Amino acid sequence: AQSVSQHNHHVILSEAASLELGCNYSYGGTVNLFWYVQYPGQHLQLLLKYFSGDPLVKGIKGFEAEFIKSKFSFNLRKPSVQWSDTAEYFCAVNFGNAGNMLTFGGGTRLMVKP
Amino acid sequence: DAGVTQSPTHLIKTRGQHVTLRCSPISGHKSVSWYQQVLGQGPQFIFQYYEKEERGRGNFPDRFSARQFPNYSSELNVNALLLGDSALYLCASSLSGTSGYNEQFFGPGTRLTVL
Repeated sequence: AQSVSQHNHHVILSEAASLELGCNYSYGGTVNLFWYVQYPGQHLQLLLKYFSGDPLVKGIKGFEAEFIKSKFSFNLRKPSVQWSDTAEYFCAVNFGNAGNMLTFGGGTRLMVKP
Repeated sequence: DAGVTQSPTHLIKTRGQHVTLRCSPISGHKSVSWYQQVLGQGPQFIFQYYEKEERGRGNFPDRFSARQFPNYSSELNVNALLLGDSALYLCASSLSGTSGYNEQFFGPGTRLTVL
């Protein structure tokens, strides 16, 4: 079955630390990849997306993600986190045979200590 | 520009009741999708409507139904509510609904509590 997994459920970092959140999916076909963020009390917002081309994509607020097709992974990175990055992060995959339906991972709750 | 709007914001129902949730997409968007987000989990796809036709359905029982109106707004209906239906219900809109290349924009959600 097509699925998306995020291995880190809770992450606690100090400001200026580097961040990497893992995302893996199970599907051998074409995929479109997304990272969404949900700040406390706010709705889901798109951080970045990958459809094709350069596997390293840059998003808003200094975030980037790398698509590694051989590893079925799309990890999210940020070199230096800020307190304002405290939020829940969701990886989402559109599997090529599923219209525009998104399958989400379980989310990673990030807390950045000032 | 207004984003995706949903109503009501919060709702409390008892088991066995029926509920209707509403969503207005971003102007110009013709596709609306519904997701259920149970506390502590990622959103789970329920339905997608595009040009007033159902284009996709997730693994939810027949108690869940939806429709899209000529102005592209949408309703999600849930009958015979169960405690397990308590969740945040999210609506997302996109320009088109025929491929995954379309970014989906999410609304703030409706928090449903079933007692």
